[in-house]
Amino acid sequence: KAGVTQTPRYLIKTRGQQVTLSCSPISGHRSVSWYQQTPGQGLQFLFEYFSETQRNKGNFPGRFSGRQFSNSRSEMNVSTLELGDSALYLCASSLKGGGGSYNEQFFGPGTRLTVL
Amino acid sequence: EDQVTQSPEALRLQEGESSSLNCSYTVSGLRGLFWYRQDPGKGPEFLFTLYSAGEEKEKERLKATLTKKESFLHITAPKPEDSATYLCAVSGNTPLVFGKGTRLSVIA
Repeated sequence: KAGVTQTPRYLIKTRGQQVTLSCSPISGHRSVSWYQQTPGQGLQFLFEYFSETQRNKGNFPGRFSGRQFSNSRSEMNVSTLELGDSALYLCASSLKGGGGSYNEQFFGPGTRLTVL
Repeated sequence: EDQVTQSPEALRLQEGESSSLNCSYTVSGLRGLFWYRQDPGKGPEFLFTLYSAGEEKEKERLKATLTKKESFLHITAPKPEDSATYLCAVSGNTPLVFGKGTRLSVIA
């Protein structure tokens, strides 16, 4: 079974630009969560989608948004990039999700975003 | 607010020297505690899920245990390939909350 895939793997942008990252979950998984990982803050939850609906959202500004498609693939968008947005963005999928009924999440390799 | 604290931040072991990593947590209604391994530049790799106090899980040289306030990841006779960052996460009434991890280095 193929794992979680994320594209692109690396991205370099400049301040003020916007970026879209893509995630394809494991086949059959309906929940997709996004995380930001930085050396100082560790892994921080961005949002979770389940059956095309955002079920939970972390403490990030509105510049961070996402969506999920009917095939469970998900995208996240960051508008008006800031230097502090440089991070590894990780996507994780699980069979179920939402409402606190979490089970194991399986992570993709991440997208390394550098903002200059 | 759900919180996870992992200790130590970094651990250096000689090959074959067993040790334990600690994950202390506070959570409203624990639904699961998860251990992951992360290699540099890669996404976390799932290791174990523990659901209730007293539960134990094993995989090769790793054994995870759970009490009402903490979890331990015991590493028996580690090898250099066990070097990685080990992450602990809890699921309560909110999405997963991760600790900052323990960086393990195993020296041959």
